[in-house]
Amino acid sequence: GQNIDQPTEMTATEGAIVQINCTYQTSGFNGLFWYQQHAGEAPTFLSYNVLDGLEEKGRFSSFLSRSKGYSYLLLKELQMKDSASYLCAVRDSNYQLIWGAGTKLIIKP
Amino acid sequence: GAVVSQHPSWVICKSGTSVKIECRSLDFQATTMFWYRQFPKQSLMLMATSNEGSKATYEQGVEKDKFLINHASLTLSTLTVTSAHPEDSSFYICSARPLTGEAQPQHFGDGTRLSIL
Repeated sequence: GQNIDQPTEMTATEGAIVQINCTYQTSGFNGLFWYQQHAGEAPTFLSYNVLDGLEEKGRFSSFLSRSKGYSYLLLKELQMKDSASYLCAVRDSNYQLIWGAGTKLIIKP
Repeated sequence: GAVVSQHPSWVICKSGTSVKIECRSLDFQATTMFWYRQFPKQSLMLMATSNEGSKATYEQGVEKDKFLINHASLTLSTLTVTSAHPEDSSFYICSARPLTGEAQPQHFGDGTRLSIL
């Protein structure tokens, strides 16, 4: 079966750094996506990795290791508005997106 | 950037009513659009994949006669919840993937909050 694992909930402090991990087992791989979803809103696209390595986009970075079936999303200089759920999704060999259940990130002052 | 418009944002209606939700890609073409449902504090659940000019592909457990999908053009897909009941109350979200390149991410509409009384 296909499976995406990420922690259910994490807590971090404003101004700090947090790393949200995602491991996956899918039939084929055609890219990994991270989305942010605030409560009551639709997801918004954050990052895309298809090759191994780190993709940096401002305060957010995403890392991928295909051999390990592993990715992480790194958020720096945390702000209160970063409190949201972060969804990891993998595109499989059929170009279907397999979604993780999301990690709820709570930022404390 | 790629914009997906979903309408309406909120629907409150009586049990037995049919509700139509529209999903439009405003500045790109999409042969494939996706319909999701999300219950409170739960993860996204893919309901169906909508393909322009052909029948939608439904996920297991999703009734195709209840959730009618039409993808008549490269920029518009509609989801009709027929004879809606309170258990159909949920947050429905569409997404679209640009035609140019499978590497493109899905872009989401703002969602439709459906409440059936």
